[in-house]
Amino acid sequence: DGGITQSPKYLFRKEGQNVTLSCEQNLNHDAMYWYRQDPGQGLRLIYYSQIVNDFQKGDIAEGYSVSREKKESFPLTVTSAQKNPTAFYLCASSINGANYGYTFGSGTRLTVV
Amino acid sequence: QKEVEQDPGPLSVPEGAIVSLNCTYSNSAFQYFMWYRQYSRKGPELLMYTYSSGNKEDGRFTAQVDKSSKYISLFIRDSQPSDSATYLCAMSEGAQKLVFGQGTRLTINP
Repeated sequence: DGGITQSPKYLFRKEGQNVTLSCEQNLNHDAMYWYRQDPGQGLRLIYYSQIVNDFQKGDIAEGYSVSREKKESFPLTVTSAQKNPTAFYLCASSINGANYGYTFGSGTRLTVV
Repeated sequence: QKEVEQDPGPLSVPEGAIVSLNCTYSNSAFQYFMWYRQYSRKGPELLMYTYSSGNKEDGRFTAQVDKSSKYISLFIRDSQPSDSATYLCAMSEGAQKLVFGQGTRLTINP
């Protein structure tokens, strides 16, 4: 079945650590996105990539980094510079920009311990 | 002012009621309008898609777009407890990024 796989489902980070969230898709979609979701704040765009080896900052990119070395993969690293990383992280992909909407993964819940 | 405004609720209605969810927006260039449903601790799933103005019906769900008023709605008829979720509106100008509303948390009480 085609879809987007995010792993892990739950992730715990100690203060000062970098952690990487995985996002893989087998939909042959060109564009991929990372969102952060906090209670009462909706979805906020962190980074997006429309083609391999290219990506752009979203609205809240500070403290995050990404790479897009393969069409299928778009990992997100939450660095120690991100002061409030506890949130639900969603990866999405689309075949042709936003015209027909996004397909979302099932999310990763990151908690700072 | 946010580009897309959506009442976060929460909204609680009895089973069988008609539910109306709404979003307003400020960008007149938006052409593509969507509704996503998100169950707790899951990713959003695309529920309804509409291009430009008009209505679209799919089973118990009806999406309406009024571009002159910059207002979109989602109606749920004969609501069921399984409809309890957060509903997010989303829209775009075209090949640009989707802009999401805040999401409305809906509970259908048996």
